[in-house]
Amino acid sequence: DSGVTQTPKHLITATGQRVTLRCSPRSGDLSVYWYQQSLDQGLQFLIQYYNGEERAKGNILERFSAQQFPDLHSELNLSSLELGDSALYFCASSPTGVETQYFGPGTRLLVL
Amino acid sequence: ELKVEQNPLFLSMQEGKNYTIYCNYSTTSDRLYWYRQDPGKSLESLFVLLSNGAVKQEGRLMASLDTKARLSTLHITAAVHDLSATYFCAVGASMNRDDKIIFGKGTRLHILP
Repeated sequence: DSGVTQTPKHLITATGQRVTLRCSPRSGDLSVYWYQQSLDQGLQFLIQYYNGEERAKGNILERFSAQQFPDLHSELNLSSLELGDSALYFCASSPTGVETQYFGPGTRLLVL
Repeated sequence: ELKVEQNPLFLSMQEGKNYTIYCNYSTTSDRLYWYRQDPGKSLESLFVLLSNGAVKQEGRLMASLDTKARLSTLHITAAVHDLSATYFCAVGASMNRDDKIIFGKGTRLHILP
């Protein structure tokens, strides 16, 4: 158990809908990362937050957005969902942003 | 554009043998990560390498980084079945004042008993 929690574990929704994925980092970790893993695209870095501020942006679509709240938990919002957004979404946390990352169990999203 | 190439992508080997996974990347990087993923599971961080010549070891796994060659290796010594998994390298770089992390495609390692 990494200490990173993600909810929900599974999510089934329809095209065009909007969903929110939630991540709670390990206690004391200030940095949160979001990743997408799919068969087509492999593992992709989406975005990183550090202490509430966006720190790095990867291949995150404009339909997706994220934020980190004052209590350091983070949410990833996915809107206007398409079939191709079906994937595993992982959150990870680290103390300050360049060290070992600790991954949550992931949220499996299925868009029908 | 930062690209990361891992090879081999698939590796089947006998227990007790040694082998190396290679991770090449295309531009200057200030950090390199190795991860392990078991089927249906999340990722587990193995190593973070931050400087040229860095070498880290944990059990039968040893990772090294050569920033001049833009190459990292993950060496497996006397492989055991429990090491069967997919191994990813990922490269972090600061580009245009923005940090990026790019993953390789992963090496699926199958160790035969």
